[in-house]
Amino acid sequence: DIQMTQSPSTLSASVGDRVTITCRASQSISSWLAWYQQKPGKAPKLLIYDASSLESGVPSRFSGSGSGTEFTLTISSLQPDDFATYYCHQYNSYWTFGQGTKVEIK
Amino acid sequence: EVQLVESGGGLVQPGGSLRLSCAASGFTFSSYWMHWVRQAPGKGLVWVSRINSDGSSTSYADSVKGRFTISRDNAKNTLYLQMNSLRAEDTAVYYCARTYNWKDAFDIWGQGTMVTVSS
Repeated sequence: DIQMTQSPSTLSASVGDRVTITCRASQSISSWLAWYQQKPGKAPKLLIYDASSLESGVPSRFSGSGSGTEFTLTISSLQPDDFATYYCHQYNSYWTFGQGTKVEIK
Repeated sequence: EVQLVESGGGLVQPGGSLRLSCAASGFTFSSYWMHWVRQAPGKGLVWVSRINSDGSSTSYADSVKGRFTISRDNAKNTLYLQMNSLRAEDTAVYYCARTYNWKDAFDIWGQGTMVTVSS
């Protein structure tokens, strides 16, 4: 099974900050990686697919990069609506999620 | 509007059964693979099961294999999850989600339905 490890688990930031979340796969997953945003009591929302492709309707301040085993999600300028939990997800072999990164207000 | 709506959750005793449904609308349901993903209270997302577009192929997480059965009715645009021999650790919000094939992100999710296994 492919394990996904996100870091950090919690991130404290302010509006306007540049935020980076890292996701590592236990083996190469090429670019078969997605990022989701989840708010309390809501379903996850797809932000990025195929490691770096922005889902339609998602603000351009979100970007993804990486391939193989190391990936990053970057929010270029954190907005009030971005305080949430973020999950990475590999779909190279079956489907596995990272444990999540909570972005909270500093 | 593209939409997935789950139903069927509730409180069930350990060892009991429950069937979840996921009604799809706004897209060609029969063209998509469908999945169930669950989230225990305060925990992360865990993939549970998937079914291909015509229902001929399924797979399951080890934690539910032999107890859960995924199925679909393309004529009714509905996905199902039959859950038997339920355990306390199956307590979670269950989401249905779609992918276009086996190497695709989950682009549309339902709102989730809560399953609580407790005596």
